[in-house]
Amino acid sequence: AQKITQTQPGMFVQEKEAVTLDCTYDTSDPSYGLFWYKQPSSGEMIFLIYQGSYDQQNATEGRYSLNFQKARKSANLVISASQLGDSAMYFCAMRFSGSARQLTFGSGTQLTVLP
Amino acid sequence: GAVVSQHPSWVICKSGTSVKIECRSLDFQATTMFWYRQFPKQSLMLMATSNEGSKATYEQGVEKDKFLINHASLTLSTLTVTSAHPEDSSFYICSASPPGARSATEAFFGQGTRLTVV
Repeated sequence: AQKITQTQPGMFVQEKEAVTLDCTYDTSDPSYGLFWYKQPSSGEMIFLIYQGSYDQQNATEGRYSLNFQKARKSANLVISASQLGDSAMYFCAMRFSGSARQLTFGSGTQLTVLP
Repeated sequence: GAVVSQHPSWVICKSGTSVKIECRSLDFQATTMFWYRQFPKQSLMLMATSNEGSKATYEQGVEKDKFLINHASLTLSTLTVTSAHPEDSSFYICSASPPGARSATEAFFGQGTRLTVV
């Protein structure tokens, strides 16, 4: 079975510090993609970063980086220099190979940045 | 970047009425779109896959007669919640990916629709 797990329902971080949001997955499929989205209280899903299963390097996008450990089946999101505007729900999602291309989401982590 | 637009962003309707939600890909053609449902404080759950020119594929437990999906063109999919009841109140959000190589690495979401049935 293909599954995404986020074990941290809530996280707190001090402004300007870095924070790591955990995500583990379970699949026997060798080809897959991992996504992270930010969902503020407005509900929109904001794409943050993508990592392909065959990518040799960890993905980075500005203050976001993905700590991809394939053998451990983990894809943790690292946010550096946290800002108050980073407070939101964060979802890890996985896309498996095949024609459908839908995403399977983890349960999410509510991040609160403290001033 | 690619944009997916969803309308309306919120709707309040009376129990027993039907509500239509639109999802448009604004700058690319999408043969497939996805509809998700999200209850408060919970994750997104896939409801159905909308296929242009053919029937939608529904996930197990989702009533196809309750949630009608029409993908009439390459840029528009609609979700109609028929005979809505209070338990249908939820956040509905659509997703689409650009065609070709980008379909694997990119997935864009509409703004979502908050449905409240009273």
